[in-house]
Amino acid sequence: GNSVTQMEGPVTLSEEAFLTINCTYTATGYPSLFWYVQYPGEGLQLLLKATKADDKGSNKGFEATYRKETTSFHLEKGSVQVSDSAVYFCALSDDSNYQLIWGAGTKLIIKP
Amino acid sequence: EAQVTQNPRYLITVTGKKLTVTCSQNMNHEYMSWYRQDPGLGLRQIYYSMNVEVTDKGDVPEGYKVSRKEKRNFPLILESPSPNQTSLYFCASSLSLGTSTDTQYFGPGTRLTVL
Repeated sequence: GNSVTQMEGPVTLSEEAFLTINCTYTATGYPSLFWYVQYPGEGLQLLLKATKADDKGSNKGFEATYRKETTSFHLEKGSVQVSDSAVYFCALSDDSNYQLIWGAGTKLIIKP
Repeated sequence: EAQVTQNPRYLITVTGKKLTVTCSQNMNHEYMSWYRQDPGLGLRQIYYSMNVEVTDKGDVPEGYKVSRKEKRNFPLILESPSPNQTSLYFCASSLSLGTSTDTQYFGPGTRLTVL
């Protein structure tokens, strides 16, 4: 079945460091891919998405490219801020049963 | 303001005492769902609803019930809670059934502890 694997956290970086959070997936067909972010004490919110191969989603300085050949959707940011500290979830769509398949989440800690 | 609201935000209860967590959205969304979030497991879908009076099981429906009598509301019912249902619960909604394109809007979460 479909699945999403994220790198385990927590990931701890200093402010202005380069960020990569790895996400790989297994899926039949052509799913859409998402990154959601959960700030402390809040619900999840969509960060970015890509609906087909080679698409790049971007928002708030974050980017991720839908790579079908490597079945990956890694999240990157060139210079992180303390305010980026949150839990990041990778997910893929499964329209066969109207579900999103979620990764386990990666906690990001940015130190000043 | 477009939002998904959940109540209560925090709840401590005892085994076997029926409880309901309410969820309401003001965006006229057709699709609503309930998730539970547990450390290391990400989000797991409990139930979802494609429209009024249409509900279906997600990945972990055991011990839960839902109803969708009105488009805006989607309560989660635990008839006889047990300690393994201690978790963080999220309600979410989206405009239509298309998870490929539609953004899911999440409520703020309900932290439930069952003693």
